[in-house]
Amino acid sequence: GNSVTQMEGPVTLSEEAFLTINCTYTATGYPSLFWYVQYPGEGLQLLLKATKADDKGSNKGFEATYRKETTSFHLEKGSVQVSDSAVYFCALSDQGGGGSYIPTFGRGTSLIVHP
Amino acid sequence: DTGVSQDPRHKITKRGQNVTFRCDPISEHNRLYWYRQTLGQGPEFLTYFQNEAQLEKSRLLSDRFSAERPKGSFSTLEIQRTEQGDSAMYLCASSSGGNNEQFFGPGTRLTVL
Repeated sequence: GNSVTQMEGPVTLSEEAFLTINCTYTATGYPSLFWYVQYPGEGLQLLLKATKADDKGSNKGFEATYRKETTSFHLEKGSVQVSDSAVYFCALSDQGGGGSYIPTFGRGTSLIVHP
Repeated sequence: DTGVSQDPRHKITKRGQNVTFRCDPISEHNRLYWYRQTLGQGPEFLTYFQNEAQLEKSRLLSDRFSAERPKGSFSTLEIQRTEQGDSAMYLCASSSGGNNEQFFGPGTRLTVL
């Protein structure tokens, strides 16, 4: 079955530091890949996505590239802010065509950014 | 479009009681999902609907859990004879299209005493 593995947290950084959160996946088909973010007390919201190999998703200064050869989708940001403190989830979803429409989520990585 | 809404936001109940949660998805989305999330974990899939049809249920889902989406719009999740282990955040999400981007509601936090 499908699975997503992401680095354990918490990740603690100072403001303006570079961020990388690693995510690798296993899937039987050709999934779409996602990063979601969850702020305290809220539901998850989409941060960025990529639907095919070599696609780069980007939003709010965050980027991730769909790497089929390494089955990875690492999240990066060049300069984090205190407001980026949240829990980040890597996820995949098969694209139908006989595949399942059930998304698979990683366990989440907590990011704490200090001023 | 007001996004996905869930009601109630919080529910405290005693062990053995039944509880029911409601989810209103984004109106044009044909797929609706229920997840359970516990502290330090990602969303765990429970079940999903395409329109009014329930297409998948997690094998881990107890018989005490049942979900409906009678008219292909809102959905309800009922837990019968609640147990302390049912305490969690219950998330609803809706989607459409091939890439299946999930739009989440704010969740219902259940506490079973």
